[in-house]
Amino acid sequence: GNSVTQMEGPVTLSEEAFLTINCTYTATGYPSLFWYVQYPGEGLQLLLKATKADDKGSNKGFEATYRKETTSFHLEKGSVQVSDSAVYFCALSDRGFKTIFGAGTRLFVKA
Amino acid sequence: GAGVSQSPRYKVAKRGQDVALRCDPISGHVSLFWYQQALGQGPEFLTYFQNEAQLDKSGLPSDRFFAERPEGSVSTLKIQRTQQEDSAVYLCASSLGARDSNQPQHFGDGTRLSIL
Repeated sequence: GNSVTQMEGPVTLSEEAFLTINCTYTATGYPSLFWYVQYPGEGLQLLLKATKADDKGSNKGFEATYRKETTSFHLEKGSVQVSDSAVYFCALSDRGFKTIFGAGTRLFVKA
Repeated sequence: GAGVSQSPRYKVAKRGQDVALRCDPISGHVSLFWYQQALGQGPEFLTYFQNEAQLDKSGLPSDRFFAERPEGSVSTLKIQRTQQEDSAVYLCASSLGARDSNQPQHFGDGTRLSIL
């Protein structure tokens, strides 16, 4: 079945460091891919998405490219801020409308 | 507000009690989802509604779990004879689209259920 695997956390970075959170997926079809973010005490929010191969999703300085050949959707940001501290979830959605989430990666950014 | 609203935010129940969790989706959203999120894990799909029709309940862990959306808006997730392994955060999400998997899901803040 479909699944999502993302790197384990926590990830601890200093402010202005470069961020990569790895995500790979297994899917039988051509799913849409998403990154969701959960800030402390808040609900899940959609951060960015990509709906087909080679699409790049971007938002708030974060980017991720849908790589079909490597079945990956890695999240990157060039310069993180303390306010980016949160839990990040990679997810996929197939035509059955069911969204499958990874286990989440907690990011701590130190000032 | 205009977001997905869930109530209560926190619920503590004794093992064996029944609980009911409520979700108010964004007005006009056709699709509604329930997820269960265990501590330190990602959300896991429970069930999906398109308007009032429950089209997928494959994620419900047992027949103690029951969900309804009788008028195609508010939804209730009911858990009967609760057990300790039911302790989790229950998330509700709604989406504008029906059969389009590209539509983003908007999540509520969740209900944290603790079974003693």
